Parts: sequence; C-alpha cells; structure tokens
Amino acid sequence: RKEVEQDPGPFNVPEGATVAFNCTYSNSASQSFFWYRQDCRKEPKLLMSVYSSGNEDGRFTAQLNRASQYISLLIRDSKLSDSATYLCVVNRVGYSTLTFGKGTMLLVSP
Amino acid sequence: DVKVTQSSRYLVKRTGEKVFLECVQDMDHENMFWYRQDPGLGLRLIYFSYDVKMKEKGDIPEGYSVSREKKERFSLILESASTNQTSMYLCASSLQPPADTQYFGPGTRLTVL
Repeated sequence: RKEVEQDPGPFNVPEGATVAFNCTYSNSASQSFFWYRQDCRKEPKLLMSVYSSGNEDGRFTAQLNRASQYISLLIRDSKLSDSATYLCVVNRVGYSTLTFGKGTMLLVSP
Repeated sequence: DVKVTQSSRYLVKRTGEKVFLECVQDMDHENMFWYRQDPGLGLRLIYFSYDVKMKEKGDIPEGYSVSREKKERFSLILESASTNQTSMYLCASSLQPPADTQYFGPGTRLTVL
C-alpha cells in the first residue's frame, strides 16, 4: 500500500456543486494531516490542517477517520476559482518530513 | 507573510553541466527542503536540512548534493546534469518538523538538453 493515495480525477463539477475528495494513508501512527492546494504551474500552498475532531474553514470541511485511515475534504458551493489540484499530506512516521499525495484535480465549470 | 524565493523560474542547461539552484527564506525557519515534481509522480523529496551545515537525504538524492552555509539559504547542486533531471524543482521551508506547515517557493523549471 502506498503511503498516501488519492484519486487523481479530474473531478468535473458545475459551479455551486458540493464535491468531496478522500485520501488514504498507510501508517496508522501518522499524527499530522494537511490539505494543500496547487494551481496550474504554481507552488503548493496550505489549504488547511486536518484535526482529529474535524474542522471547517468557510466552504471547506476536513475530516479524519483514524479507524479507516483516511482523510477527506468537502468543498461546498464550488467556485470557478476552486479549480486546482488538491494534495493530501501526511507526516512520515519515524522521519521528520511530510509525504505528499499525487493530488486530485478539480475542474469547476460555469 | 513567509517568503521563499528561488533564484530562477526557468533554466536551460546542457548535459554534463554543473547546475546550482538557490533558495532563500526570510522567516528564520530552521528547516528547508528540496523537492522535484514530475507529472504522474507527484512531489518527491531530494534532500532536507534542519540546521546550518546539516543535511539529510530524502527519497531520491542520487545525482544531487546540497549546501546550507547560512540559515536562510539552501542550495541544490546537480554535479553533472542529465536529461532525466529535467523537472520542476521546488524549495520549501518550515519552522518545526514534522507537523509544521511547509511554505514553498515558486519553483524552478529546469530543462537539461
């Protein structure tokens, strides 16, 4: 099993739609989880951290399911500007580094 | 705001040349990282550093070396560039590993001919 796995997409949704991405991770001892956003030809930027109890930031909700070893990102009321690749990121247990998933591409159309 | 800058946005080099990629961060971060990003392979860690003059190998260090003489600057060196090192190179920094946010520079797209 790969350390971090994501569906590459693309997810094609209309403006205003709700869309959800999942990401699975292999090491049950992982402690830190993030979602990063990467626009085309740009650098990755932190979207939000993922906390055990789940957390929300405006239209974005992140959830962690430790039992099943996955994290999710829910985007409500999608905007054209949400079109990007979303990277799932998990700390690498035993090493002081992060492991980045390959990303899920989201395309929001008018 | 944290700012991470990289010396070049685009670079074209020839096979066998020695290539230097520079990265500078202005937030007094302890940790700095070099990644490469390729289609279908995602971000892969080349080297990282937790302190001045300290370096650790990442997942794909072969063909690369690094230098960190000052806290704010982390250099990636391709001793003898090869065509399979054509890639997007991204530098990042963070305050504390592993849980802290990594801030990325804009990237250097390197083409080796």
